[in-house]
Amino acid sequence: DADVTQTPRNRITKTGKRIMLECSQTKGHDRMYWYRQDPGLGLRLIYYSFDVKDINKGEISDGYSVSRQAQAKFSLSLESAIPNQTALYFCATSDSGQGASHEQYFGPGTRLTVT
Amino acid sequence: QKEVEQNSGPLSVPEGAIASLNCTYSDRVSQSFFWYRQYSGKSPELIMSIYSNGDKEDGRFTAQLNKASQYVSLLIRDSQPSDSATYLCAVNLSGGTSYGKLTFGQGTILTVHP
Repeated sequence: DADVTQTPRNRITKTGKRIMLECSQTKGHDRMYWYRQDPGLGLRLIYYSFDVKDINKGEISDGYSVSRQAQAKFSLSLESAIPNQTALYFCATSDSGQGASHEQYFGPGTRLTVT
Repeated sequence: QKEVEQNSGPLSVPEGAIASLNCTYSDRVSQSFFWYRQYSGKSPELIMSIYSNGDKEDGRFTAQLNKASQYVSLLIRDSQPSDSATYLCAVNLSGGTSYGKLTFGQGTILTVHP
């Protein structure tokens, strides 16, 4: 089974709809991240969480919100989707324990299209 | 100046050749450096991490780090068509509140032709 899972894998939605993307991990990592990837723009950090009670904005958080329901679950919401939020979304995890390498491990991604 | 810069390519090499991918970064106190491989439509896959100056080898891959020059590179020996992908350089730019966060370059597209 995959260590980092994302649901849904593909989603088409209409402008103005609320949508939630979910991420779960079995790696036991305490840190989780949400990125979006657009052609030519690379990976950009939306939100990150270093533990259940610690949530921080990344470089492009406007229009998004997150919830860290448990150490293993981190959800990303688009309150009112707009077409320029069409992108590939990735969840990632990393470990902060003693000797941690800070390597990040990615889920399979969610392809979101907003029409 | 971008914080992490890569030549977007595409870089085209013949099968069996050495592919050399380069990355520069802006923050002198950066401590952790990573190379990810990403196939089209797939998620980034970690292939190398390096923390100290010098070379680190893993199979056909060698990562090279020069902190004085703020430069990290990835060499792929005996390149295969299956190595054709986008290679992302990622850097943990500094400590403090950024500790643990990675900043990614835009990626270099590598094509290995038979």
